[in-house]
Amino acid sequence: AQSVSQHNHHVILSEAASLELGCNYSYGGTVNLFWYVQYPGQHLQLLLKYFSGDPLVKGIKGFEAEFIKSKFSFNLRKPSVQWSDTAEYFCAVIFNAGNNRKLIWGLGTSLAVNP
Amino acid sequence: DAGITQSPRHKVTETGTPVTLRCHQTENHRYMYWYRQDPGHGLRLIHYSYGVKDTDKGEVSDGYSVSRSKTEDFLLTLESATSSQTSVYFCAISGGGGNQPQHFGDGTRLSIL
Repeated sequence: AQSVSQHNHHVILSEAASLELGCNYSYGGTVNLFWYVQYPGQHLQLLLKYFSGDPLVKGIKGFEAEFIKSKFSFNLRKPSVQWSDTAEYFCAVIFNAGNNRKLIWGLGTSLAVNP
Repeated sequence: DAGITQSPRHKVTETGTPVTLRCHQTENHRYMYWYRQDPGHGLRLIHYSYGVKDTDKGEVSDGYSVSRSKTEDFLLTLESATSSQTSVYFCAISGGGGNQPQHFGDGTRLSIL
């Protein structure tokens, strides 16, 4: 079955630390890849997306992600986190993007940034 | 933010009662989705729609039905609510052919006692 795995369920960092959140997905042909963020009490917002082209994708708020096809991975990174980055982060994938319209979601990673 | 309005935002009801949640969009997007979000389960797709009167089941569709009589409205109905359906419900919309990013409403917090 098609699946998305986020390795870290809870991450605690201090401000200015670097962040990397892992996301791996099962094989499924052409994929569209997404990272979403959910701040406490709010709805999900799109951080960045990858459809094709340059595998290093830059998103909002200083986030970036790298698509590594051979590893079926799409890890999220930020060089220096801030307290305001405290949130839940979700990786999501559309498998067989030419024919499929449903997102498969990872279970999320809760990030707490200490000031 | 995308023009998505969910109503009500909060609801408390009793087991066995019918409940309808509404999602209204002003973006004229073809695709609309209903998710539930529960701790430890992430987001799970309940139903989605790919056009007026065109809907399909998601991974947790039992106990839920949907209707889409107009492009802008997508209704989620719990015919006879159970405590296991206590959750936060999010509506999402997607443009283009449906493989574009989904944009989310603010959610409905539903408590079933």
